[in-house]
Amino acid sequence: AQSVTQLGSHVSVSEGALVLLRCNYSSSVPPYLFWYVQYPNQGLQLLLKYTSAATLVKGINGFEAEFKKSETSFHLTKPSAHMSDAAEYFCAVGKQGAQKLVFGQGTRLTINP
Amino acid sequence: DGGITQSPKYLFRKEGQNVTLSCEQNLNHDAMYWYRQDPGQGLRLIYYSQIVNDFQKGDIAEGYSVSREKKESFPLTVTSAQKNPTAFYLCASSRTFATNEKLFFGSGTQLSVL
Repeated sequence: AQSVTQLGSHVSVSEGALVLLRCNYSSSVPPYLFWYVQYPNQGLQLLLKYTSAATLVKGINGFEAEFKKSETSFHLTKPSAHMSDAAEYFCAVGKQGAQKLVFGQGTRLTINP
Repeated sequence: DGGITQSPKYLFRKEGQNVTLSCEQNLNHDAMYWYRQDPGQGLRLIYYSQIVNDFQKGDIAEGYSVSREKKESFPLTVTSAQKNPTAFYLCASSRTFATNEKLFFGSGTQLSVL
């Protein structure tokens, strides 16, 4: 069975600082991996996804994530945080043949001015 | 504009009452999903539908029911059997029922118990 763990339910960074949100997954087969973002009182929107092409995936709003099979990780990064990045971020894992994504518990990102 | 519309935005349920959450999409997507979101627990899948007139239970289907009579509509009923219904409910859709497909989400319905 697949599972995903997001390390840190809350992360706080200063505006302009590096953003690093951690995600580790467990999957018996090569996974599909996703990062979604949720702004307050809204639904989720896709930031980026890994589907076994390039290991470094670039997404919207300057975010990127690197798939590291040896570490079973898919951490999300952004070189310079902006106030508008404040939101909750969800990592999700799926496997081929079944659209039943497993979501992590989420990480709330706060940006300090 | 194409998208997913959920209504109402806020809903209150009395003890023993069934309530229905609406979800409509105009994206011409085959697959639709209902998720429940509780603080600190991420999203959990309630029901999903791969195609019209078909639906399957997700991980937490007890106390919920759905129908998929039209491609664009996937309403969720929270029955009186659901003893802890207070949560944020999210409807989503995807072009097909494939794991690598992007999910499109509605803005959610917050359900509370009176």
